[in-house]
Amino acid sequence: EPEVTQTPSHQVTQMGQEVILRCVPISNHLYFYWYRQILGQKVEFLVSFYNNEISEKSEIFDDQFSVERPDGSNFTLKIRSTKLEDSAMYFCASSALKTGREQYFGPGTRLTVT
Amino acid sequence: DQQVKQNSPSLSVQEGRISILNCDYTNSMFDYFLWYKKYPAEGPTFLISISSIKDKNEDGRFTVFLNKSAKHLSLHIVPSQPGDSAVYFCAGAMNTGFQKLVFGTGTRLLVSP
Repeated sequence: EPEVTQTPSHQVTQMGQEVILRCVPISNHLYFYWYRQILGQKVEFLVSFYNNEISEKSEIFDDQFSVERPDGSNFTLKIRSTKLEDSAMYFCASSALKTGREQYFGPGTRLTVT
Repeated sequence: DQQVKQNSPSLSVQEGRISILNCDYTNSMFDYFLWYKKYPAEGPTFLISISSIKDKNEDGRFTVFLNKSAKHLSLHIVPSQPGDSAVYFCAGAMNTGFQKLVFGTGTRLLVSP
């Protein structure tokens, strides 16, 4: 069964450093998303991406964040200058439907900012 | 922002019995609801969904009920199995563009043998 994959599974970085989280969505999906879950809190939407551009972003997704689809398979989330409060699980998701109904999630990357 | 609420942080049931997980929402713009199951150190796994034009959707052991007037939905698992032990999230979606999913805080279900 096709699945969303994410790398790395765990990333430790120092405050102020740049990180890139990588995702490979399900191959025939065209709509891509990033969510995050801070420990003990709910899963929160960050950004959605379609046709090589951001279609919607949350207020969390400020200028420190960017997304890219550098080739036909990868989808990346970059945090330019990490803060302690960026520590969270980051989930990539993809869907085949424009309205993002059934979104399929990857296993997540645990980002720890020290 | 409490658009989707799951007021029970945990639920314990015995194997073979029914599990009922509840979810309330405040945003009238939601027209689609989804339930996800999550194991520790894994991503949310899609379980079942329901459109706002329906009041029930069934898939095997899982049934979701929607009461639009009460802004309430519930997930029924019958019969419950120990492997169902996980955190269950409900999420709402609006039919506007490439909309985000708005998640509740989750309910931890423990099914004991």
